Amino acid sequence: QSVLTQPPSVSAAPGQKVTISCSGSSSNIGNNYVSWYQHLPGTAPKLLIYDNNKRPSGIPDRFSGSKSGTSATLGITGLQTGDEADYYCGTWDSSLSAVVFGGGTKLTVL
Amino acid sequence: EVQLVESGGGLVKPGGSLRLSCAASGFTFSSYSMNWVRQAPGKGLEWVSSISGYSNYVFYADSLKGRFTISRDNAKNSLYLQMNSLRAEDTAVYYCARGPGNSWYYFDYWGQGTLVTVSS
Repeated sequence: QSVLTQPPSVSAAPGQKVTISCSGSSSNIGNNYVSWYQHLPGTAPKLLIYDNNKRPSGIPDRFSGSKSGTSATLGITGLQTGDEADYYCGTWDSSLSAVVFGGGTKLTVL
Repeated sequence: EVQLVESGGGLVKPGGSLRLSCAASGFTFSSYSMNWVRQAPGKGLEWVSSISGYSNYVFYADSLKGRFTISRDNAKNSLYLQMNSLRAEDTAVYYCARGPGNSWYYFDYWGQGTLVTVSS
């Protein structure tokens, strides 16, 4: 059981938009920055979003992040087949003194 | 170019020990926190441990219950994870990852991972 809650899967057609939610509590998302990662099997996870809504260099603006209260959302527009991957949210939990991840969301581009 | 290369994984019997290493290059190693994250087969990412640039701060996942020890050697640009009393549930790909400066709010570079299999 993950501290952060994500939907197990989402799907959308190429070119469409999808959002992935990440729900937590005041000890984690509510008072700390959220990050998002893309993970393709057999590869290194890639940082997509940090500090709730910032994109590292090289990440296209099709990827966006937002946070409200104890929830965060990753948005992906202009879906491509290459976006099919597992997506994870992460943050620091001040009560646990630990980094916590969501359980992951598998994105399928139909 | 930032590079992180893990090594030391392999097959170990339950109760055994293993030491993972992560060789870092392309950045000033001592200026960044370093971290271990694992992924068990069919499961999601699980944070294992973090260490600050000069080892002042160290954090572990509660589930490890003192069996794992993180350390670093800034002179060798290397990160380590000593794993003792290994259990079947420790079977996973172990990734080392760099944190932003001396915090662990996110991980901006990751290695390719090293597989640890705990089985008799």
